[in-house]
Amino acid sequence: SQQGEEDPQALSIQEGENATMNCSYKTSINNLQWYRQNSGRGLVHLILIRSNEREKHSGRLRVTLDTSKKSSSLLITASRAADTASYFCATDGFDRGSTLGRLYFGRGTQLTVWP
Amino acid sequence: DTGVSQDPRHKITKRGQNVTFRCDPISEHNRLYWYRQTLGQGPEFLTYFQNEAQLEKSRLLSDRFSAERPKGSFSTLEIQRTEQGDSAMYLCASSFGVRETQYFGPGTRLLVL
Repeated sequence: SQQGEEDPQALSIQEGENATMNCSYKTSINNLQWYRQNSGRGLVHLILIRSNEREKHSGRLRVTLDTSKKSSSLLITASRAADTASYFCATDGFDRGSTLGRLYFGRGTQLTVWP
Repeated sequence: DTGVSQDPRHKITKRGQNVTFRCDPISEHNRLYWYRQTLGQGPEFLTYFQNEAQLEKSRLLSDRFSAERPKGSFSTLEIQRTEQGDSAMYLCASSFGVRETQYFGPGTRLLVL
C-alpha cells in the first residue's frame, strides 16, 4: 500500500505565483524525497531531505520536513509553465518490516501553471 | 549522459506473450530497483538488487515475473504469459547506497492487448 499522500490532488495557478504541495506519511523515515514527472515520462529527482533536517533549498524549490507531524511540504516559487507536471513525495519507511531501500509513493499532486 | 537507461521505451504485446525489459543503471550504483506505475497512481515497488543479489520482492511480483541482475550490472525484468492487467509503466531506478537518492530511468510503457 502507498504510504505518502500528497495534498492537494490537483493545483492550478498562474505563472509567477507560488505553488505549495503537502505530503503526509504514516511511519518513521530515514529520508523523504520529492520527484517530478512530466506526462508519460520518468521521474526526475528534485530534493532529498533527511529525517534530521528541517528545511532544504534548491533553486526555486524549498522543502520542509516536520517529523513530529509526519509531514513535508514542497514550495515552488515564481512558477513557470514548464513546472507543469505531477509531483510525488516518496518515503523509505524503514521500520515497516522490510529491508531498507524501497520507496513508498503517494498518488501525487498534478500542478498546472498557466502562462 | 550516464543516467539510468531503459529499453525498450514502449512495448505492445498480445495477451499470453512473454516480454523482457532491460535496465542499465548509473555505472557506479550498486543498488537497482524496479517499480510499476499505473495511470493516476504513484510508482509501486516491485523488487530490488544490491549488486547481483535480489534482496526483496513485493507481493505484486507474481510468479509470472522474474528479475535478474547478472554480474551486478544491468538488470532484466521478464513477464511471462502477460495479462491485460500487466499494462503499466515499468520504471527502473538506481542508487549508490541504501539511504541515498534513487535516480529513475525514462520507463518502459507496456500495453497488453
